[in-house]
Amino acid sequence: QVHLQESGPGLLKPSQTLSLTCTVSGGSISSGNYYWTWIRQHPGKGLDWIGYINHSGDTYYNPSLKSRVTTSIDASKNQFSLKLSSVTAADTAVYYCARVFVLVSTDLFSQDHYYFDSWGQGAQVTVSS
Amino acid sequence: DIQMTQSPSSLSASVGDRVTITCRASQTISTFLNWYQQKPGKAPKLLIYAASTLQSGVPSRFSGSGSGTDFTLTISSLQREDFATYHCQQSYITPWTFGQGTKVEIK
Repeated sequence: QVHLQESGPGLLKPSQTLSLTCTVSGGSISSGNYYWTWIRQHPGKGLDWIGYINHSGDTYYNPSLKSRVTTSIDASKNQFSLKLSSVTAADTAVYYCARVFVLVSTDLFSQDHYYFDSWGQGAQVTVSS
Repeated sequence: DIQMTQSPSSLSASVGDRVTITCRASQTISTFLNWYQQKPGKAPKLLIYAASTLQSGVPSRFSGSGSGTDFTLTISSLQREDFATYHCQQSYITPWTFGQGTKVEIK
């Protein structure tokens, strides 16, 4: 049973860089069947997908945050990380790391399915001066 | 971006009720639709993927259906532990997007 755990500062000032790390246990972050992702949830709101990284270091970022987001992976520590620069109060949210299961299509003409099958407990990040 | 719209935003139901939640995509997404359950203060939990496939360990009272733009999540007989917020999510086109959530409350 894989387990994910977020860690990092919970309080930032405007213009600082948010840095979170997700430690994966119970499974290898280098498995080719998975991507690794970040999702955030503003207070009382829905879920916003930030982006993913795979074991090869390939990334995709939501265009809404792309200019400020960087992710990285450290296979030796079984961890992946999120950096979000120039934060404002609008970045106050609970940040979740999650595993993306890649369900490879057996149909030559169909694409793979992706879904978030394991989640960390979430890390509250507050931006305030 | 593909917009996902859930209805209703909230509902009140009793234990034993049949509950249906709808999710509509702003464009066709085939069956690239997933459902999650979230309880207060907790991370979401995967219930259904590929529109209708039940995740391992999820009770069979949960079911999903639909394709194209219209999808439903059905709870055949609501249990006390099912009171939560439910989110749909499309994985057809990046950026992957979620619905706004449907809160299921006790009547």
